[in-house]
Formats: sequence, C-alpha cells, structure tokens
Amino acid sequence: EDKVVQSPLSLVVHEGDTVTLNCSYEVTNFRSLLWYKQEKKAPTFLFMLTSSGIEKKSGRLSSILDKKELFSILNITATQTGDSAIYLCASFTSGTYKYIFGTGTRLKVLA
Amino acid sequence: DGGITQSPKYLFRKEGQNVTLSCEQNLNHDAMYWYRQDPGQGLRLIYYSQIVNDFQKGDIAEGYSVSREKKESFPLTVTSAQKNPTAFYLCASSDPGEVYEQYFGPGTRLTVT
Repeated sequence: EDKVVQSPLSLVVHEGDTVTLNCSYEVTNFRSLLWYKQEKKAPTFLFMLTSSGIEKKSGRLSSILDKKELFSILNITATQTGDSAIYLCASFTSGTYKYIFGTGTRLKVLA
Repeated sequence: DGGITQSPKYLFRKEGQNVTLSCEQNLNHDAMYWYRQDPGQGLRLIYYSQIVNDFQKGDIAEGYSVSREKKESFPLTVTSAQKNPTAFYLCASSDPGEVYEQYFGPGTRLTVT
C-alpha cells in the first residue's frame, strides 16, 4: 500500500531557530514530491521535487529529495512566528494521477 | 483570475440530509480531486477524476458521490450514509502534463448535527 510518512508530528521552536521537517515515501510509480504550507485554510504550494539531489530554495525555505533513500526534507532557517503552520508533503504517482498526503507536521514558532 | 472556487465556505446540515458541495475551476485542468481533512490530520482522498465523465474512488469514498459532467465542475455529495461527515472539504485540480502541481480551492467546512 502506498504511503507517505512525515516526522515529527509536531514541533515547537523559538524565533530564529532552524527546523528540519522529514517526509518519507513508499509509493509505486513515483513521479514527484510536493510540499505545502497550510494555515487554517487551503494548502499553499511550496515546492515540487522530481530529481534527486537538486535543492529547491525560496527565501528561508529549502527542500531536497533523495530518490534512493525515498525521503525528502524541508528546511526553514531563521524561523519567524509567521512560519507557524501545518506542513504537508505529498507524493504524486503517474498512471493513477493520485496525490498521497502525509499527516503533516504542525510547527509552532514562539516569539 | 484563474483559480478554484468552492461554495459555500461554511455549511450546516442536520443528520440524515444529503448535501452537495460545489467545486468549479477555470484553469482548464483535466484532473480534479476531493479531499477530506479532520482536525490534526492530513488530507484523505475521497474521489478523483482525470477526465470528464470519468471518476475513481479514493481511500474513503463510502458515503460520498460525485459527478463530472463538465471539465470545470466536480461537485461532491455527502450522503446520509456517511457516518461522520463533519470535516473540512478541499477540492483541487491539476494538469497531468509535465508539471504536476496541484492547486487547491479555499475549502468548505461542513458541520452536521
């Protein structure tokens, strides 16, 4: 059965800290890995990764995919209270065109 | 402006009533999806459709039904057979071409009492 597992389930840090969120996957016909940020409403897209070892970066956020070990990480440096959210990762499988989501990591950044 | 609209934002129903959630997109995407999210949970797939007049069950399809008569529209009916319908429902679409990014609507929060 296809599955995506995220860790930790929740995390509390202080402003300025660096955090690493983990996402492992076991899916057939893997095509891409996506990261989303959700703040009490619809998820907003952060990154899509298809190739191993190539880091995607946007400001203080970065992400990388390891297709051999079947995982991805999302790094957030110099965290701010506005980074508080649920971070979701999802794998996209070709053939069925399904997105399989993990349960998310709830990040809380304290001032 | 291209995007996905869902209506209504909040919906209240009595137990035993069927209710239909609307989802419309003007992104010209072929694929559309319905997810359910419960507090503290990720997204669980209810139904998805890759093309007009065709749809597949997701992981939690029991108690739900959909139709896909038009490319732009993918309404979800929550039937009285759904045992625990209170949840946040998200509609999404994607273009299964080279780019597989999935776009989400704003969601409908359904409360059944």
